[in-house]
Amino acid sequence: GQQVMQIPQYQHVQEGEDFTTYCNSSTTLSNIQWYKQRPGGHPVFLIQLVKSGEVKKQKRLTFQFGEAKKNSSLHITATQTTDVGTYFCAAGGGADGLTFGKGTHLIIQP
Amino acid sequence: NAGVTQTPKFQVLKTGQSMTLQCAQDMNHEYMSWYRQDPGMGLRLIHYSVGAGITDQGEVPNGYNVSRSTTEDFPLRLLSAAPSQTSVYFCASSYSWVRLGLAYEQYFGPGTRLTVT
Repeated sequence: GQQVMQIPQYQHVQEGEDFTTYCNSSTTLSNIQWYKQRPGGHPVFLIQLVKSGEVKKQKRLTFQFGEAKKNSSLHITATQTTDVGTYFCAAGGGADGLTFGKGTHLIIQP
Repeated sequence: NAGVTQTPKFQVLKTGQSMTLQCAQDMNHEYMSWYRQDPGMGLRLIHYSVGAGITDQGEVPNGYNVSRSTTEDFPLRLLSAAPSQTSVYFCASSYSWVRLGLAYEQYFGPGTRLTVT
């Protein structure tokens, strides 16, 4: 399957600060998905990016797919306590479906 | 729709015991899969199925068996539990497998927390 590296592993922010997590691959990705997992919960699908240079927004969340389709980012503006959790990217299109990154844990200090 | 359901939610096993983790979905999804989640390791694919009667191995299949006799059910069997299998197990389903190089949105169950002593 397609391999993806996610950074950072942990991110501490003050409530109201912005947050960004990055997903990188050494190979061209056919598409990328992002998931959120709340503490004690299960991963929930957020979005899928397919096109080179694609940018999608969901309220305070902005998702980008790189021009070369080898990287992606998730940016949260003005974090809130409800944003706490782990954010995973997942690369699709391989013979065995999705390959998940190890995730970025977002910790918010009020 | 209940979505993806998993039972049990929690389980403690002794080394060498066997058990089956149940997974069911009511969305008529073709593709089902099992992941394990360990601290710092993300989600790792154990086994997957692209339809009834068809299963294949993922990244970490050793010590686990699966079968898919119906579209709805995809049980995961631990043959002889080991402490290394202590983990949180998630079942997931999606409308289909990969089509035209693109994967589909995965729907996850609530998970089973397994401890092997």
